[in-house]
Amino acid sequence: DSGVTQTPKHLITATGQRVTLRCSPRSGDLSVYWYQQSLDQGLQFLIQYYNGEERAKGNILERFSAQQFPDLHSELNLSSLELGDSALYFCASSAGGGAGIQETQYFGPGTRLLVL
Amino acid sequence: GENVEQHPSTLSVQEGDSAVIKCTYSDSASNYFPWYKQELGKRPQLIIDIRSNVGEKKDQRIAVTLNKTAKHFSLHITETQPEDSAVYFCAASGGGYQKVTFGIGTKLQVIP
Repeated sequence: DSGVTQTPKHLITATGQRVTLRCSPRSGDLSVYWYQQSLDQGLQFLIQYYNGEERAKGNILERFSAQQFPDLHSELNLSSLELGDSALYFCASSAGGGAGIQETQYFGPGTRLLVL
Repeated sequence: GENVEQHPSTLSVQEGDSAVIKCTYSDSASNYFPWYKQELGKRPQLIIDIRSNVGEKKDQRIAVTLNKTAKHFSLHITETQPEDSAVYFCAASGGGYQKVTFGIGTKLQVIP
């Protein structure tokens, strides 16, 4: 158990809908990262938040957005869902998040999203 | 941006043999190279990492080597066991904030 929690574990929804995925980082970690993993694909970095602020952006679609709250939990919002958005969405956390020494990221169990 | 290439994409070895997975990276500013193991349907878990000021690191049956000049790093697993069967991802990070770029993954199968 990494200490990172994600809810829900599974989510089934329809095209065009909007969903929210939630992540709680390890105690004391200030950074949260979101990744998308499609079937038999690698891990695609979406976005990073550090202490409430957006720090880095990857290949995140405009239909997707995220935020990190004062209690450091984060939410990933996916809207106008398409079949191709079906994937495993992982959240990871690390202690810091600033430039400089690179830190280990610890992954949560993931949310499996199925868009029908 | 950073680009990480990983090969082979699949690897089958007999139990007890060694397995080697290789990665190359493009950004010379990268200075941190973690390796993750992901079992089917589970989270990626860090198994070993190496920083750019070190050429080799070992942890029991697992070792990682880094060649900064050539911009490549490798994972070595010795005396493989069936429970080593999983997908292994290499990654590179550095040169700024904590953005990590992952390789495509190697599916390792250890045949008993």
